[in-house]
Amino acid sequence: DAGITQSPRHKVTETGTPVTLRCHQTENHRYMYWYRQDPGHGLRLIHYSYGVKDTDKGEVSDGYSVSRSKTEDFLLTLESATSSQTSVYFCAISLNVANYGYTFGSGTRLTVV
Amino acid sequence: SQQGEEDPQALSIQEGENATMNCSYKTSINNLQWYRQNSGRGLVHLILIRSNEREKHSGRLRVTLDTSKKSSSLLITASRAADTASYFCATDATGNQFYFGTGTSLTVIP
Repeated sequence: DAGITQSPRHKVTETGTPVTLRCHQTENHRYMYWYRQDPGHGLRLIHYSYGVKDTDKGEVSDGYSVSRSKTEDFLLTLESATSSQTSVYFCAISLNVANYGYTFGSGTRLTVV
Repeated sequence: SQQGEEDPQALSIQEGENATMNCSYKTSINNLQWYRQNSGRGLVHLILIRSNEREKHSGRLRVTLDTSKKSSSLLITASRAADTASYFCATDATGNQFYFGTGTSLTVIP
């Protein structure tokens, strides 16, 4: 998707290991979000950011942390991966949520074994 | 949960027919959005409707919003095989973030 990239696209990791997913944007949008998508649950918000070093928790934030040291990068870290964190993770950006929708990345498929 | 709920969960129609899917939500909103997700891809924004609007059009898409019933509908007219995808509604109860429903899976049969 134009202006937003996620890396890696796929990752398999072992239980108990730390994992960091990266979201990079070139749109200079203020808002950035991390969602996870699981069958039967739709998309659920993990964390979001409304500016550099400004972040807040979403509805499923336990076991996750985020950092945003630059406007263009939003990192999601699983401190100690568990099998319940096997999911597809999507990053999204928005200029202004009152007037614009999200632009989503292509997703990261994470498998914790 | 603040998420919306789409209905039906799955819909299968013939090419050329219209497809209607609905979204219900629980709390007051500022705006509501619809997204499409093709298999294995990220979501794509389709349309945003504000709480003071009742209807919006975009090409073959028509969205209605009834805030008294806390519901919205998405109509796709003259459907095509390329419309096969999952469709999600999203609501912004808290202003800076959107809550997504579980989606409607639409299959358009050529």
